[in-house]
Amino acid sequence: KQEVTQIPAALSVPEGENLVLNCSFTDSAIYNLQWFRQDPGKGLTSLLLIQSSQREQTSGRLNASLDKSSGRSTLYIAASQPGDSATYLCAVRGYGGSQGNLIFGKGTKLSVKP
Amino acid sequence: NAGVTQTPKFRILKIGQSMTLQCTQDMNHNYMYWYRQDPGMGLKLIYYSVGAGITDKGEVPNGYNVSRSTTEDFPLRLELAAPSQTSVYFCASSLRITSGNTEAFFGQGTRLTVV
Repeated sequence: KQEVTQIPAALSVPEGENLVLNCSFTDSAIYNLQWFRQDPGKGLTSLLLIQSSQREQTSGRLNASLDKSSGRSTLYIAASQPGDSATYLCAVRGYGGSQGNLIFGKGTKLSVKP
Repeated sequence: NAGVTQTPKFRILKIGQSMTLQCTQDMNHNYMYWYRQDPGMGLKLIYYSVGAGITDKGEVPNGYNVSRSTTEDFPLRLELAAPSQTSVYFCASSLRITSGNTEAFFGQGTRLTVV
């Protein structure tokens, strides 16, 4: 059974710092991995999707990497801003049937202080 | 630009009452999902559907039912509400794996309290 772990559970940094959020998964047979952002009381917003054949994806100040063989992904946020404060979730998708569903980690709650 | 729309946003139910959470998407996605999110527990899959007329159980299906009569709609039915069903419910959708791009999109959630 696929399990997804995110470390740390919470992170507080001063504005302007570069930071890395970690995501690990137990079964490397994934189709893709998706990073989401969730603001308090809101839904999930998709940030980046990495296919299993890709090593990284970039969007603005965000860069996500994937090392499928070691079961790890990282989300790098450059020059953090208070507006980046939110919970960040990663989810992996397997191949077909129930395995094709998204399995989520519990998230990392990020606080960026001015 | 609607994406995935859920109604209602908030609801308070009494124990034993029933209700339907509505979910509709306008992206012509094959796959639709219902998740619940509890504090500290992450998102758990309740039911999913790979197309109209096809539904299947996820990790936590007890106490819920679904139907998928159209591509757009995927309602979640709660029968005999219990306090354990107090949670935030999210509906999501995506294309099928064979399409290549399976980016999932989520609704804004329904916050349900059972008292």
